Formats: sequence, structure tokens, C-alpha cells
Amino acid sequence: QKEVEQDPGPLSVPEGAIVSLNCTYSNSAFQYFMWYRQYSRKGPELLMYTYSSGNKEDGRFTAQVDKSSKYISLFIRDSQPSDSATYLCAMLPGYSSASKIIFGSGTRLSIRP
Amino acid sequence: DAMVIQNPRYQVTQFGKPVTLSCSQTLNHNVMYWYQQKSSQAPKLLFHYYDKDFNNEADTPDNFQSRRPNTSFCFLDIRSPGLGDAAMYLCAAQGGGGYTEAFFGQGTRLTVV
Repeated sequence: QKEVEQDPGPLSVPEGAIVSLNCTYSNSAFQYFMWYRQYSRKGPELLMYTYSSGNKEDGRFTAQVDKSSKYISLFIRDSQPSDSATYLCAMLPGYSSASKIIFGSGTRLSIRP
Repeated sequence: DAMVIQNPRYQVTQFGKPVTLSCSQTLNHNVMYWYQQKSSQAPKLLFHYYDKDFNNEADTPDNFQSRRPNTSFCFLDIRSPGLGDAAMYLCAAQGGGGYTEAFFGQGTRLTVV
């Protein structure tokens, strides 16, 4: 079993729709959770960062973390064609020399005009 | 302004000819990572540094080496590139003091001919 599971998609929705992207994980030690957006042939761009359980909102993006269920989500409201990209969830158990970021496999999202 | 800079953006090398990829960061962050990403796959961790402490993933081939001469710079050396090493190589920097977001560079796309 992978430490982090993410539905690879592809996911295709019409412009203006609400998008829900999800990841599950197995390591209860994860404390820090990140979402990255990656356009084709570019490096990942950090979208959201959250610590422990709860919600965080930034513009059209909302990140949710439910540690009891080991489940995180990214919601995109009023989706735009420019949101078409691969979205990667990433997690970190803590901050020490042994800690490392674990990525999900990425969900490819396409927003239809 | 770019915080993590990778050079070059595109690198073509011959089969078996050593190649070095470079990464610099203006964030003064403790942790630096090197990832390999192949098409439609999640980034795969090769190495990471926590200050000068070097952490090598168990499945990173011996063909790959890394150097971090100071906080700002990190290098990835591929001693004898094979066709299977063609990929996007991503560098990231991550800070301490409670700031655990990891920021990526734009990547170096390596082609082996």
C-alpha cells in the first residue's frame, strides 16, 4: 500500500464548476499537508499549505484536512480553464533530518470552456 | 522573483557522458531536495539535505550523486547517464522555524541521446 493515494483522473469539468480533489494517506504521523499545481513541463507551484486538521481558504481554493479519517481535499470554486493542470498532494510527518515530503501520484484536471 | 532557480532549464547529454544539474535558492532554507519526475508520474525523491546532513533514498541508483557546498547551492551529478535517466529533475527548498512549505524550481528537463 502506498503511503499516499490520489486518484489520477483525468478529471474533466465545465468552466465554473466546483472541483474536489482528494488524497488519502496511511501514516498517522503526517502533520503538514500541501497542494501543488503543476502545468505541463513546469515545476510544481505551491497552492496551499496546512498544518494538522482544519480548513484553509485562499481565494477560490479551500484545503481541508481530516486527520481522524486520514483524508485531505482541495476544493476549487468557479473553476477556470487556467486551472487545467496536474494537482499533487504532498505530506510531511514533521521537521527533522529524517523527514521527507511524500507526494501523491497527481490528478490531471481539465476545465472545459 | 524566483526563489529556487534551476540551471539549465533544458539539458541534452550523450549516453554515458557525465552531467551536472544545479540548483540555487534565495530563501536561506535548511532543507533541499532533488526529485526525478517522469512523464505523468509523481516526483520521486532521490536525495535530501537537512543542513549538511545528507539523506540518500535506498532506491536511488549509485549513478546519481549530490553535493551541497553551502546553504544556497545544491548539485545533482549523473555520472553515466542512461536512456532511462531522461526525465524532469526538480529541486526544492524548505525552511525551518515553523515554515515548512517547500518551494520548487522550474526543473531541468534532461534528454539523453
